Amino acid sequence: GAVVSQHPSWVICKSGTSVKIECRSLDFQATTMFWYRQFPKQSLMLMATSNEGSKATYEQGVEKDKFLINHASLTLSTLTVTSAHPEDSSFYICSASSGLGYTFGSGTRLTVV
Amino acid sequence: AQSVTQLGSHVSVSEGALVLLRCNYSSSVPPYLFWYVQYPNQGLQLLLKYTSAATLVKGINGFEAEFKKSETSFHLTKPSAHMSDAAEYFCAVTLGGGADGLTFGKGTHLIIQP
Repeated sequence: GAVVSQHPSWVICKSGTSVKIECRSLDFQATTMFWYRQFPKQSLMLMATSNEGSKATYEQGVEKDKFLINHASLTLSTLTVTSAHPEDSSFYICSASSGLGYTFGSGTRLTVV
Repeated sequence: AQSVTQLGSHVSVSEGALVLLRCNYSSSVPPYLFWYVQYPNQGLQLLLKYTSAATLVKGINGFEAEFKKSETSFHLTKPSAHMSDAAEYFCAVTLGGGADGLTFGKGTHLIIQP
């Protein structure tokens, strides 16, 4: 139980375009989902907390206009990287809290060229 | 605010030897503590978690960790290392028990020598 599916697993986009990443809880309802960013060989940094039906809460230093988060249902949260630039290239991982704790998606490798 | 310190960015042990990965936390209130493992280009897999029940927590794949409040530690151990244990290990803390995100340590890369 408690499976989180994240798509796509990798994406390459041109600078200036937008990319959407989906995070789905497959067998449970996730009122709260979290988005993390991980640079190569570094730890995960919490970007934002996504609550179903309300605005996301962003961590200090995270641009809310660049990283748009939507949590329209209890099983889906999306992260859209708008006007992507090479410095946005990173590994993005979503997580959902469930009775079993925190379950993580498999991550999305974003490369902006 | 809470924080996690993992001592040793790289730890190397021989196959069959004891694995010890260190984690110390800082928190103003009793925390929830977690250990995760990450393989290259993958998400995180939960090894074990401490949620204020038993201080010795047993996890998957033979790992266990002991919560020591007096030492503010939550070190991860495994009696006998396998080659498949080679990965990145993260200690994490939260105060919210599900409502708040996790604060991660910087990670420890475990290397298993044949």
